Amino acid sequence: AQSVTQPDIHITVSEGASLELRCNYSYGATPYLFWYVQSPGQGLQLLLKYFSGDTLVQGIKGFEAEFKRSQSSFNLRKPSVHWSDAAEYFCAVGARYGGATNKLIFGTGTLLAVQP
Amino acid sequence: GAVVSQHPSWVICKSGTSVKIECRSLDFQATTMFWYRQFPKQSLMLMATSNEGSKATYEQGVEKDKFLINHASLTLSTLTVTSAHPEDSSFYICSASPGLAVRRSYNEQFFGPGTRLTVL
Repeated sequence: AQSVTQPDIHITVSEGASLELRCNYSYGATPYLFWYVQSPGQGLQLLLKYFSGDTLVQGIKGFEAEFKRSQSSFNLRKPSVHWSDAAEYFCAVGARYGGATNKLIFGTGTLLAVQP
Repeated sequence: GAVVSQHPSWVICKSGTSVKIECRSLDFQATTMFWYRQFPKQSLMLMATSNEGSKATYEQGVEKDKFLINHASLTLSTLTVTSAHPEDSSFYICSASPGLAVRRSYNEQFFGPGTRLTVL
């Protein structure tokens, strides 16, 4: 069965420090992978996605993520965190099959706090 | 592009009443729409998947008679919480997928801003 694990429930970093949020997935084939960000009381905004090709993907707001098949991981990184990055981050895996219907399985989320 | 709206953004109702939440894809046709529920400080849980013109497919444990989903057009899906009770209070988020018609967005879902439901 598909699953997504985000081992870190809560992370605090200092503004200007680097950031890495971990994501591990379980899926039988090469998955579609996504990172979303959610500010309090808001919907989800897509940061980046991996479908195929280059395993290092660039996203919005200076984020990047690297797909590592051997580790079943898709960790999110940012070299220098800004106070406005404080939010909840969700990793998700999408089923890859030929059909109009698809599902996303979300991890439990990582809450990022940024210290001044 | 790929904007999804939800209405209302928040609603407060009395126990026993029904509440309807609308989800609209504003600039694309959504062959599939999804409804999620999110409890405070928790992840999104998929409630149901709906394809335009078909009955919704509910996830295990979700009461289909409680959460009525209608996907009557390619741009509109509605979720009706019938006979709402305080335990139905939650943040409901919809998403829409254009499906295979738009290859670059294949398997991608676009999310609405969410609706906060509070049942007194």
